[in-house]
Amino acid sequence: EAQVTQNPRYLITVTGKKLTVTCSQNMNHEYMSWYRQDPGLGLRQIYYSMNVEVTDKGDVPEGYKVSRKEKRNFPLILESPSPNQTSLYFCASSLAGTADPLEQYFGPGTRLTVT
Amino acid sequence: GESVGLHLPTLSVQEGDNSIINCAYSNSASDYFIWYKQESGKGPQFIIDIRSNMDKRQGQRVTVLLNKTVKHLSLQIAATQPGDSAVYFCAEGLFSGGYNKLIFGAGTRLAVHP
Repeated sequence: EAQVTQNPRYLITVTGKKLTVTCSQNMNHEYMSWYRQDPGLGLRQIYYSMNVEVTDKGDVPEGYKVSRKEKRNFPLILESPSPNQTSLYFCASSLAGTADPLEQYFGPGTRLTVT
Repeated sequence: GESVGLHLPTLSVQEGDNSIINCAYSNSASDYFIWYKQESGKGPQFIIDIRSNMDKRQGQRVTVLLNKTVKHLSLQIAATQPGDSAVYFCAEGLFSGGYNKLIFGAGTRLAVHP
């Protein structure tokens, strides 16, 4: 089954404790992205990757890191989480290149709470 | 399920009626637009896209209309069903400098009543 998987689905952590949220897709998509979703703000892009070893900042990259060492995986790293990073996080992937609409497939989401 | 928008505008319709969800966008240079549907507790799901050189595009039970003069986008859902209840997001996309960027709107909640 074609899908995007994220782990963990739920995470409660404390300020400053490094964490990683994994994302994996099995569709051989080149484009991958991370979003955060907060009430009333829609989805805001954190980082995206056009291909392996190619990553770039989205609209809200502060406090986050990503890596793209393999095509299928795109982990999101919070080196020192803070309470304002409490949010619902989505990973997405797309076959689209630089001239096609981003028909993205989204993962199920990761609910992160930082206390 | 997850709460994705506590204060979203809500459109309430009767089952079987047609629904029209509206969206105003900001960038007149956007190259394309997409509608996504998000059901409670799930990630967004692609519905339909339209390129900026088009005025109308139809899918299965859905039609997207684009009015570039007033920077307005709408999604029409025919014969709305209970399974259409969800939050709907419009997004504007831009091809620029070798990348492909998508910016989402805040969303509209569609509530379908029997």
